[in-house]
Amino acid sequence: SYELTQPPSVSVSPGQTARITCSGDALPKKYAYWYQQKSGQAPVLVIYEDSKRPSGIPERFSGSSSGTMATLTISGAQVEDEADYYCYSTDSSGNHPVFGTGTKVTVL
Amino acid sequence: QITLKESGPTLVKPTQTLTLTCTFSGFSLSTSGVGVGWIRQPPGKALEWLALIYWDDDKRYSPSLKSRLTITKDTSKNQVVLTMTNMDPVDTATYYCAHLYYYDSSGYQETWFDPWGQGTLVTVSS
Repeated sequence: SYELTQPPSVSVSPGQTARITCSGDALPKKYAYWYQQKSGQAPVLVIYEDSKRPSGIPERFSGSSSGTMATLTISGAQVEDEADYYCYSTDSSGNHPVFGTGTKVTVL
Repeated sequence: QITLKESGPTLVKPTQTLTLTCTFSGFSLSTSGVGVGWIRQPPGKALEWLALIYWDDDKRYSPSLKSRLTITKDTSKNQVVLTMTNMDPVDTATYYCAHLYYYDSSGYQETWFDPWGQGTLVTVSS
């Protein structure tokens, strides 16, 4: 089955830049999406179609994709950005959604 | 404003069938390009997609759980129901439903979830 691989954890100091990667064989053909999940809460979409930001998401969140890797960048990370982040996409057929393995971002 | 809320039992016994209902507002499941999906998350673990249903009643299931899942919709009630048979303790998780966006551009399809319901914790234990 199709898999999206993320690093388990990323640490960043407040005000610095955090980068989270997501690797998947179908990413050259399919968009990547990113969800933020704070402790005890439901996931929230922060990036869609590789690099677009939904309304209400701070500009410090940006996304990019090249080849088999997508990247979520948090520029000037804030303490409130501490959360688990999941990439999301579908297999090459588009029929089966897949979530990444998840990355815990620590801001300290 | 789109909102979704999951409801169902908080505790089920092994081998029982779980039935969860997603009640939503702010959209209609008769509108083209719309759907609802179910996703679960075991405690401390990653998100796992389970099933989705489109406005035209087309359905998709996780290959690993397909034999145990059924998803249906009641457009008049703004509800989507997920059933999972033969529950096991490893199925203990928070179950989320989410609004689904879909488009097909010359055979290129995209599907994503936004927003999500608050989730409901289901524990499987005797």
